Amino acid sequence: KAGVTQTPRYLIKTRGQQVTLSCSPISGHRSVSWYQQTPGQGLQFLFEYFSETQRNKGNFPGRFSGRQFSNSRSEMNVSTLELGDSALYLCASSLDISNQPQHFGDGTRLSIL
Amino acid sequence: AQSVTQLDSQVPVFEEAPVELRCNYSSSVSVYLFWYVQYPNQGLQLLLKYLSGSTLVKGINGFEAEFNKSQTSFHLRKPSVHISDTAEYFCAVRRDNQGGKLIFGQGTELSVKP
Repeated sequence: KAGVTQTPRYLIKTRGQQVTLSCSPISGHRSVSWYQQTPGQGLQFLFEYFSETQRNKGNFPGRFSGRQFSNSRSEMNVSTLELGDSALYLCASSLDISNQPQHFGDGTRLSIL
Repeated sequence: AQSVTQLDSQVPVFEEAPVELRCNYSSSVSVYLFWYVQYPNQGLQLLLKYLSGSTLVKGINGFEAEFNKSQTSFHLRKPSVHISDTAEYFCAVRRDNQGGKLIFGQGTELSVKP
């Protein structure tokens, strides 16, 4: 069974640009969550989607947005990139929004120049 | 507010020695508890989880953890570590009424030396 797939693995952008990251969950999983990982702030929750609806949102500015498609694949978008957005962005999927554990992808490393 | 504290940022240990990575959490409601491991340039891999039932939880790679509600702790242990256990370990909490949102500790870097 394939794991969580995130594309691309690496991305370099400049300040002011926007970026879209993609996540394909494990087959059958309907919940997708996104996290940002930085050396200074650690792992922080961005948002969670289930059945194409955002169910939970972390404390990030409106520049960070996401969506989920009918096949449970998810994308997150960051607009007007800032240097501080440089991070590893991790996607996790789970069967549903109960207590089922989340399974993580290998992440997208975003570098802002 | 809910928080997770991993008491040691770095733990050096010799191969075949036992190890304990400490985790304390604060929450006023029921929680689910998890330990994840992260190897360089990879995502997080689930080691073990506590959802309910027995407070001693066994996971992959010989790791186990004990949930202590009175001390609000969920320490991770392994009786004999290997070089390949060198990685960063994260404790995470999920509240009963907050779906998939995980709150992570700052991580503990385990370094196993020969």
